[in-house]
Amino acid sequence: LAKTTQPISMDSYEGQEVNITCSHNNIATNDYITWYQQFPSQGPRFIIQGYKTKVTNEVASLFIPADRKSSTLSLPRVSLSDTAVYYCLVGDPPDKLIFGTGTRLQVFP
Amino acid sequence: GAVVSQHPSWVICKSGTSVKIECRSLDFQATTMFWYRQFPKQSLMLMATSNEGSKATYEQGVEKDKFLINHASLTLSTLTVTSAHPEDSSFYICSARRDTSRTEAFFGQGTRLTVV
Repeated sequence: LAKTTQPISMDSYEGQEVNITCSHNNIATNDYITWYQQFPSQGPRFIIQGYKTKVTNEVASLFIPADRKSSTLSLPRVSLSDTAVYYCLVGDPPDKLIFGTGTRLQVFP
Repeated sequence: GAVVSQHPSWVICKSGTSVKIECRSLDFQATTMFWYRQFPKQSLMLMATSNEGSKATYEQGVEKDKFLINHASLTLSTLTVTSAHPEDSSFYICSARRDTSRTEAFFGQGTRLTVV
């Protein structure tokens, strides 16, 4: 299973765009990149998943360069309710998901 | 979206007793479910993979005799913490994927276990 590295924490202000980058140098050919969000005392919630290039949904965008050794989660115009821990996971579904340290995002008013 | 439900949401038990946590996939079948444990300010740690109709696969360092997993049907897996001790106090979370899906895994809301 590919190991992921992401910043421990990030701060932002409401209305700003937040980009969280994840490194996964050992990603395998069959691996997908998935991001989850977790609020305190809740289970993780799926945000977005991609294999290559760019994926966009109603809450976020995921940018994956051609070599797939990293990925960037982009949250447009964050609000206070986006304060959470964000996890980047790499794996071949439906294999088990191994969580890294995650990035603790704090959004200030 | 698909829903995974855990019960109970929180439980307090005395040392030495056993506690059972249920994980249900409400609107899809899941041959495989996963159990995680999370301590405060830490990430989720995978404990075991629960397989319907067969024995669970435990991660290294997880005591299978202490954390009993039973996956009796395609929509239900249970985790029993036996002879609980205060150090077992943690947040337990299960997850499941649709059998036919290569996409996201769905997580339960978690169970807060406090052993006193």
